[in-house]
Amino acid sequence: EVQLVESGGNLVQPGGSLRLSCAASGFTFSTSWMAWVRQAPGKGLDWVANIRQDGGDKGYANSVKGRFTISRDNAKNSLFLQMNNLRVEDTAVYYCAKDSSGSLDYWGQGTLVTVSS
Amino acid sequence: QAVLTQPSSLSASPGASASLTCTLRSGISAGTFGIYWYQQKPGSPPQFLLRYISDSNYQRGSGVPSRFSGSEDASANAGILFISGLQSEDEADYYCSIWQSATWVFGGGTKLTVL
Repeated sequence: EVQLVESGGNLVQPGGSLRLSCAASGFTFSTSWMAWVRQAPGKGLDWVANIRQDGGDKGYANSVKGRFTISRDNAKNSLFLQMNNLRVEDTAVYYCAKDSSGSLDYWGQGTLVTVSS
Repeated sequence: QAVLTQPSSLSASPGASASLTCTLRSGISAGTFGIYWYQQKPGSPPQFLLRYISDSNYQRGSGVPSRFSGSEDASANAGILFISGLQSEDEADYYCSIWQSATWVFGGGTKLTVL
């Protein structure tokens, strides 16, 4: 059974930093693209970033480029999102998702990031 | 104008059918990746429903019933998610998505009410 479990969400002040983690199991993590997608309270889905199997290719939404960094540790079946210089508009539930030939076919339950003073 | 536009809400009766549209901005094509559809129920993460490239080339997600299908309206530059035999459990938010300019773009979502 595929499982994706996010952690690391918290309340942080504007300008602060946070690192999200996603523990993967039930599939071959090292052969899968992975992605982060967020959802602000009561709003729609917003793609954040994705990363190739070997970590050599990464993509970011314009809204987070230069502030967020996606990474992975295939030995530990883990995906990460380092978020710096956080803004109020980054407040959202952040989902980790497995990217299978373009379809985000499995999603975690999400972790809540709240940016507020 | 948004890249993908979806009606904010749609209502239909149990047992009826529903067509949810996803209109692509003029000049934008879903290309070889196609249009992806996701379902999200309250309090749950999204679930992949299907990927539509053409009538002869689309894939449903694992466990997705055949009541869910995809199509397109080329004249309107739109993708369509068709749900037949509506059930109360189909009440959810539905999102379309395409791969555009090296990013995934989502539509604003359609809230489907079954009553």
